[in-house]
Amino acid sequence: GQQLNQSPQSMFIQEGEDVSMNCTSSSIFNTWLWYKQDPGEGPVLLIALYKAGELTSNGRLTAQFGITRKDSFLNISASIPSDVGIYFCAGTRGGGNKLTFGTGTQLKVEL
Amino acid sequence: GAVVSQHPSRVICKSGTSVKIECRSLDFQATTMFWYRQFPKQSLMLMATSNEGSKATYEQGVEKDKFLINHASLTLSTLTVTSAHPEDSSFYICSARLEQRNTGELFFGEGSRLTVL
Repeated sequence: GQQLNQSPQSMFIQEGEDVSMNCTSSSIFNTWLWYKQDPGEGPVLLIALYKAGELTSNGRLTAQFGITRKDSFLNISASIPSDVGIYFCAGTRGGGNKLTFGTGTQLKVEL
Repeated sequence: GAVVSQHPSRVICKSGTSVKIECRSLDFQATTMFWYRQFPKQSLMLMATSNEGSKATYEQGVEKDKFLINHASLTLSTLTVTSAHPEDSSFYICSARLEQRNTGELFFGEGSRLTVL
């Protein structure tokens, strides 16, 4: 099925650094969502985007819905150890309510 | 956000047995719930859409007789893995959305890790 490609696949950064990751697709999506998953747990919703060009923040997190509707990015400012985890983008297409998940970006933070 | 709860969180069973996983929406009603499966170091893959009062809709390649879904009430959906085999070992996660908000946001349960020996 349709897959969302995330990059980078993993990243190892220093505490305090800013982080940027993105999600791309060959198809148009109507909704973009960003989730964080800790080991052995379900994903937790971080940010939801509904309009092309929309820029939304949630604390140290900022995400944007790409103008072409085929991509989205997530930025994390001043990373802290608890930011460690796997970040997934997800989206819905057309008039459907099924959520397609990206391939994931694993974030590791070095103290 | 909305709370979705799964039970059990971990289950180990022998090959050939059946295992039932429950998914509950704790503070809202959900006419539709979604079941995902996640293998180690992989993304979440949608298995089926659970519809209250009607049959579930399965994604291509998912055996409906293998993965029985029942959505008997507005707050409970169950997934039964029948005649489980080691290749069914995975992390199963359910989700639901707040339909009254009419958004695409899905809220996920804690997940259930199934290990088939």
